[in-house]
Amino acid sequence: DAGITQSPRHKVTETGTPVTLRCHQTENHRYMYWYRQDPGHGLRLIHYSYGVKDTDKGEVSDGYSVSRSKTEDFLLTLESATSSQTSVYFCATGPHRAEAFFGQGTRLTVV
Amino acid sequence: GESVGLHLPTLSVQEGDNSIINCAYSNSASDYFIWYKQESGKGPQFIIDIRSNMDKRQGQRVTVLLNKTVKHLSLQIAATQPGDSAVYFCAENMDPGNAGNMLTFGGGTRLMVKP
Repeated sequence: DAGITQSPRHKVTETGTPVTLRCHQTENHRYMYWYRQDPGHGLRLIHYSYGVKDTDKGEVSDGYSVSRSKTEDFLLTLESATSSQTSVYFCATGPHRAEAFFGQGTRLTVV
Repeated sequence: GESVGLHLPTLSVQEGDNSIINCAYSNSASDYFIWYKQESGKGPQFIIDIRSNMDKRQGQRVTVLLNKTVKHLSLQIAATQPGDSAVYFCAENMDPGNAGNMLTFGGGTRLMVKP
């Protein structure tokens, strides 16, 4: 998994609470991404980063924010979790544009 | 483990046979394509990639074919094994001019290998 660690692996949270998912990589890859995976929708890009403090929105960014204060870590924050954000979240990294290696995923349930 | 999807197209093959998984992509400007394999409870795993200036690329037991005329990508797996059972996704780079990665993923095909 290209040295990618996601934490936590599973989380149950209540509607309206803030949630932060962490992605840590040991590959020194420039690019990092957050995807969500849902039945019927496949993998969809939430946000990505192309360097420290350089981030941009993906296809489904509403309700999410990200931060990358150092190369190794990319945080995904749900400021106020909603049931529609129940999903499996995958972090990915890549040394080059358009190349992505994935972590094991985080299953988030918002009740 | 993490679920991939409940209503995916499924390809069922006999162990030892060859498998062909197809993918139609959407953007004629896409210049880079990747096939991923996702086993139950795991993240997608890179299998093989191909750039738009190529028609074919071979790896170990896998071959990817690209037909730009009809925007079609296929993954061929030779001598399919039970360990090949997984969901397979194609992904295209839809925005080659963008500094970031705009990989867009297809819906996936579930491959089931019968012993």
